[in-house]
Formats: sequence, C-alpha cells, structure tokens
Amino acid sequence: GQQLNQSPQSMFIQEGEDVSMNCTSSSIFNTWLWYKQDPGEGPVLLIALYKAGELTSNGRLTAQFGITRKDSFLNISASIPSDVGIYFCAGPGGPQGAQKLVFGQGTRLTINP
Amino acid sequence: GAGVSQTPSNKVTEKGKYVELRCDPISGHTALYWYRQSLGQGPEFLIYFQGTGAADDSGLPNDRFFAVRPEGSVSTLKIQRTERGDSAVYLCASSLGPREQQYFGPGTRLTVT
Repeated sequence: GQQLNQSPQSMFIQEGEDVSMNCTSSSIFNTWLWYKQDPGEGPVLLIALYKAGELTSNGRLTAQFGITRKDSFLNISASIPSDVGIYFCAGPGGPQGAQKLVFGQGTRLTINP
Repeated sequence: GAGVSQTPSNKVTEKGKYVELRCDPISGHTALYWYRQSLGQGPEFLIYFQGTGAADDSGLPNDRFFAVRPEGSVSTLKIQRTERGDSAVYLCASSLGPREQQYFGPGTRLTVT
C-alpha cells in the first residue's frame, strides 16, 4: 500500500527559529495535506495542496507540493510555543480510496523557551 | 457549532471483553470515518461511511471489528474479544461529503489489560 515517510521524526528548537520538515512517498499523490495534532486532540488541518509545484501559505506556515508529486514540505517561520505538537502529512489513499487518508508517522516539534 | 465528539474519552477493558466506541459527527455531515492511532504513529484508516452504508471497510483489521451508522448520523465502532494489541486511540472524523475536508474528534483512548 501507499506509505508516507516524514523527516525528521522529532525536532528540538529554540523559540523564534524557523522549522522545516518534509514528507516523501513511494507513489504519486494528487493532494497533499498537512495536519497538526496537540496532546489529547485529533489532527487539525493546516494546509491543503492540490497542484504539483503549488506553494501555499497560512500565516507563518508555508507548504509546497513537490513537482514530482512524491513529496511535500512544510515550513514554519519564527516558531512560538503554541507550535509545539506533532505534524502529519497525509494524502488520499488511491483513486478508489480517495475518501480515506494515508498519514505519515509524524514529526514531533519541541520548542525550548 | 459543535465539532465531532467521541465517547468515552478513555476506556480501560480486560482482554477478551467487548467494547463500543461512539462518534457524534458534525451536524449535516454525510461522511464519517474511523481511524486508529497507535502510540508514535499516524492515524490508520479503518472504515468510511457515506450515509448509513459502509462504503469502504478495507481498513478493519479482522472480523472482531465492525461499525454501524444506522441513521446516518451517530456511529458506533464495536470490538469483540479485545486483545492487548487493540490498545490505541480511536479517532472519528466527519466531512460534509465525500472528498471534502475531514474534521477529527478528540479520540477515544482504549487500553486493553
């Protein structure tokens, strides 16, 4: 089946630093989604990407849909304490399974004050 | 309006017991999804309902798991003869329609002792 690999698995940064994480796939995705999950909560959608090469921003977050359709990047600028959490990339699970999402294993972000 | 709600928030049960997990989707959302999230992993798809019918149950791990949505709103995930390996957070999501943005509930943490 389709798999998404995220790196790094965890990040420890200082407040104010920029963050970059990525997600790669063994197969082509037509949509890339980036979610954030806080402890005890479900994932919340941050950014959705629908077109190869697309660059989309949401406040301090910027995500890009890789030109090969097999990767995506998420950048966070000037990190703040509320950015702490686990970030997941996700995509539709194939043409017959467009409704089900496949998730990466997550990147855990920790911020040192 | 209210988001997706799940009850109970925590469930501890003994190996071999039967459990039911409930999901109340956002009002008016026709699509409902169940995912399972093991510790340190991303959510994994279990089953998708469109209305009352299970449109895709390809993620259910075995016949001990089944889910219902009899009136096209509330859904119940049922696990028979629970095993320690079933311990995980069970997430429910709903969307306005198929292929629309999925909104996740906070999950039910199931612990099988």
